[in-house]
Amino acid sequence: NAGVTQTPKFQVLKTGQSMTLQCAQDMNHNSMYWYRQDPGMGLRLIYYSASEGTTDKGEVPNGYNVSRLNKREFSLRLESAAPSQTSVYFCASRKNRDRNTEAFFGQGTRLTVV
Amino acid sequence: AQKITQTQPGMFVQEKEAVTLDCTYDTSDPSYGLFWYKQPSSGEMIFLIYQGSYDQQNATEGRYSLNFQKARKSANLVISASQLGDSAMYFCAMRDQTGANNLFFGTGTRLTVIP
Repeated sequence: NAGVTQTPKFQVLKTGQSMTLQCAQDMNHNSMYWYRQDPGMGLRLIYYSASEGTTDKGEVPNGYNVSRLNKREFSLRLESAAPSQTSVYFCASRKNRDRNTEAFFGQGTRLTVV
Repeated sequence: AQKITQTQPGMFVQEKEAVTLDCTYDTSDPSYGLFWYKQPSSGEMIFLIYQGSYDQQNATEGRYSLNFQKARKSANLVISASQLGDSAMYFCAMRDQTGANNLFFGTGTRLTVIP
């Protein structure tokens, strides 16, 4: 019963380096999301994918790109990491974005950019 | 615009006592839902309970219940018989009914259960 699986759990990057955060869900959910969590600010939406083949910007998309590789997988890429991107990143999925269904979250990735 | 407000940055409760965590919201949509999540120190987000705007009764899940007051636009989480394992951050969330239809979150309340 894996649910939403994120990798890696921890990462340290130097400014300017790139990396991809991986996310996969096995619940056959249509919608997938990437959030970042910063102290005192709750979770903020970076990008989302309403269904396979579509992606859209959320509240804080600058500095990030995403790929919805298939229905299961939704990756987040930092092309040139900056210290302001130090945060905890969560991937989430929901069965149907148009209904009041709960989101299931991955374990989170703690990213530090030095 | 929709909005979620959690005004209590931190709360303390004695073990075995009940505690209420506040959440107020604002929306113009007649059909909406409120969610509560728990985030323990290990970091994962755990779904606790859901309340729909048209639900006739307040939601309950074990020791968790929602004090839903629609006219006041509040959906407070009540935890009965607090346990040490309840110490965590608690987030209230609502579905964003424009654009992403994601869940957008309040800033959270840190609950500490005192033995």
